[in-house]
Amino acid sequence: EDQVTQSPEALRLQEGESSSLNCSYTVSGLRGLFWYRQDPGKGPEFLFTLYSAGEEKEKERLKATLTKKESFLHITAPKPEDSATYLCAVLGLMTTDSWGKLQFGAGTQVVVTP
Amino acid sequence: NAGVTQTPKFQVLKTGQSMTLQCAQDMNHEYMSWYRQDPGMGLRLIHYSVGAGITDQGEVPNGYNVSRSTTEDFPLRLLSAAPSQTSVYFCASSYSKLGVQYFGPGTRLTVT
Repeated sequence: EDQVTQSPEALRLQEGESSSLNCSYTVSGLRGLFWYRQDPGKGPEFLFTLYSAGEEKEKERLKATLTKKESFLHITAPKPEDSATYLCAVLGLMTTDSWGKLQFGAGTQVVVTP
Repeated sequence: NAGVTQTPKFQVLKTGQSMTLQCAQDMNHEYMSWYRQDPGMGLRLIHYSVGAGITDQGEVPNGYNVSRSTTEDFPLRLLSAAPSQTSVYFCASSYSKLGVQYFGPGTRLTVT
C-alpha cells in the first residue's frame, strides 16, 4: 500500500532562517510527487510536481528535490508570508482503466516569525 | 476563470439528515474528485470521476454518493449524516490522469 510520511509535523522559524521539510514515500511505481501549500481555511494550492529522481524545481524561496525514497522542500530565507501547511502527495502506478489516486501526507505546519 | 467552486462554505447537520455538497469547475477538466481532511491525517479520497457518467470509489466511500451528469458539476451526497462525517470536504479537478489536481476552497461540515 502506498504511504506518505511528512516530517516534522510542525516547524517554527525565524524570518531568514532556512530549513527543509521532508516527505518520505513508499509507492508502487511513482508517477509523480506533488507539493501543495495550504493556508488556514483554504484549499490546497499547487506548488510543484516532480517526476523522477534527481529532479529539482524552484519557485521564489522554495526548492523541491526528489530521490527514490523521499522529497525535500527547502525554504530559503523564509518570510512571514511563507507561513502555511505544506502538503506532499504521491501518484502511484495506474492500470489502464483506472485513474491514479493521490496519496497525501499529513502535512508540515510552518510558522515564520518576524 | 473561477476555477473550482464549492458551496456551501459551512454547514451544520443533525445526525440522520441528508444533504448535497456542490462542486463545479469551469476549466473543462475531465477528472474530478472529492476528499475529506481531518486533523492529523492527510487528505483522503472519497469518490472520483474520470468523465461525465463515470464515477468510482476512493479510499473512504461509505456514507457518500456521487454522480456526474455534466463535465462541470460533481455533487457529493451525504445519505444519512453521522458525527464521524464531521470534516472539511474538498473538491478537486484535473485535466489528465497525471495532471495537477486543483482544489476548491472547501466545505466545513459539522454533524451533531
